[in-house]
Amino acid sequence: KAGVTQTPRYLIKTRGQQVTLSCSPISGHRSVSWYQQTPGQGLQFLFEYFSETQRNKGNFPGRFSGRQFSNSRSEMNVSTLELGDSALYLCASSSQGAPNTEAFFGQGTRLTVV
Amino acid sequence: ELKVEQNPLFLSMQEGKNYTIYCNYSTTSDRLYWYRQDPGKSLESLFVLLSNGAVKQEGRLMASLDTKARLSTLHITAAVHDLSATYFCAVEDEKLTFGTGTRLTIIP
Repeated sequence: KAGVTQTPRYLIKTRGQQVTLSCSPISGHRSVSWYQQTPGQGLQFLFEYFSETQRNKGNFPGRFSGRQFSNSRSEMNVSTLELGDSALYLCASSSQGAPNTEAFFGQGTRLTVV
Repeated sequence: ELKVEQNPLFLSMQEGKNYTIYCNYSTTSDRLYWYRQDPGKSLESLFVLLSNGAVKQEGRLMASLDTKARLSTLHITAAVHDLSATYFCAVEDEKLTFGTGTRLTIIP
């Protein structure tokens, strides 16, 4: 059974640009959550999508947005990039989403903003 | 707002020794997870603790959960170098809230 797949693995962007990250969940999983990991702030929840609907959202500015497609694949978009957006972005999939089922994490996308 | 505190933040220990990582959290929850992260890698699930008094063991690692005390522990027995990594606990409500992580270094 394939795991959670995130693409691309690495990205370098310039301040002010926008970026889109992709996450393909485990087959049959309907919930996809996104997390940002930085040395200063640790692991922080961005948002969760379940059956194409945003079900929960963390405390991030509106520059961070996401969506989920009918096949459960999810994309995360960050507009007007700032240096502080440099981070490891992790996607997690679960069958039903919190608080009911275990989440499995992808390998992450390392975003560097210069 | 749910807060999750881990200690210690850094732990350097010799091979063969025992130690415990502590995870305290601020709200009632009976679902807690432990993850391992190697440098530059993703999170690997170690344990899922789903009820008060739950205890799980895998190799040299044992995790327990006391929901009344809002405390989970990750105990390392006879540490070996391969256990060097960062360990996170995470408490689940509507989402996962992670602790700060414990960077564990095992010294030969």
